[in-house]
Amino acid sequence: NAGVTQTPKFRVLKTGQSMTLLCAQDMNHEYMYWYRQDPGMGLRLIHYSVGEGTTAKGEVPDGYNVSRLKKQNFLLGLESAAPSQTSVYFCASSYGRNTEAFFGQGTRLTVV
Amino acid sequence: AQTVTQSQPEMSVQEAETVTLSCTYDTSENNYYLFWYKQPPSRQMILVIRQEAYKQQNATENRFSVNFQKAAKSFSLKISDSQLGDTAMYFCAYKMTTSGTYKYIFGTGTRLKVLA
Repeated sequence: NAGVTQTPKFRVLKTGQSMTLLCAQDMNHEYMYWYRQDPGMGLRLIHYSVGEGTTAKGEVPDGYNVSRLKKQNFLLGLESAAPSQTSVYFCASSYGRNTEAFFGQGTRLTVV
Repeated sequence: AQTVTQSQPEMSVQEAETVTLSCTYDTSENNYYLFWYKQPPSRQMILVIRQEAYKQQNATENRFSVNFQKAAKSFSLKISDSQLGDTAMYFCAYKMTTSGTYKYIFGTGTRLKVLA
């Protein structure tokens, strides 16, 4: 019973490099989300998806892109990493209106 | 825009005592959902309790209960008989339900330390 799985769990990038974070859920959830967690700022929504093939901007979308080609996967891309993107990234999914969000284990990303 | 405020960055409580974590929110919606999540040092986000705004009865889950005051837009979490394993960051979250866009808005968190 995997739930929400994020890959990788840790990563160090150099400024200007690119990378993709993968989120996979096996609960057939329609809604998926990417958040970043920074000290003193809680979790802030980067992008989200309301179904396969859809994406939408959240609170802090600049510098990130996303894709949801398959219902179970939600990818977060950093085209040119910056030190300000050093953070812990969480993927989450939910079924619908009256349900909670289920979270992955998080990815700690450091940009040097 | 909806906002969630947790005004206590850090709190501590003695083992076996009771502690209350505060959360207020701002919204123009009438029907919505509220959650408390726990984040232990493992970093995993764990659901503690949920409350549906149209239900007047406060939610309870074992040692965890909420005091939901809809008019005051307040949603506090009470932990009874605190245990060392309750040491964690606690996040209050509001779920937007407008126009089928189900987004979760989080507060900045309260770091709780349970003292032996």
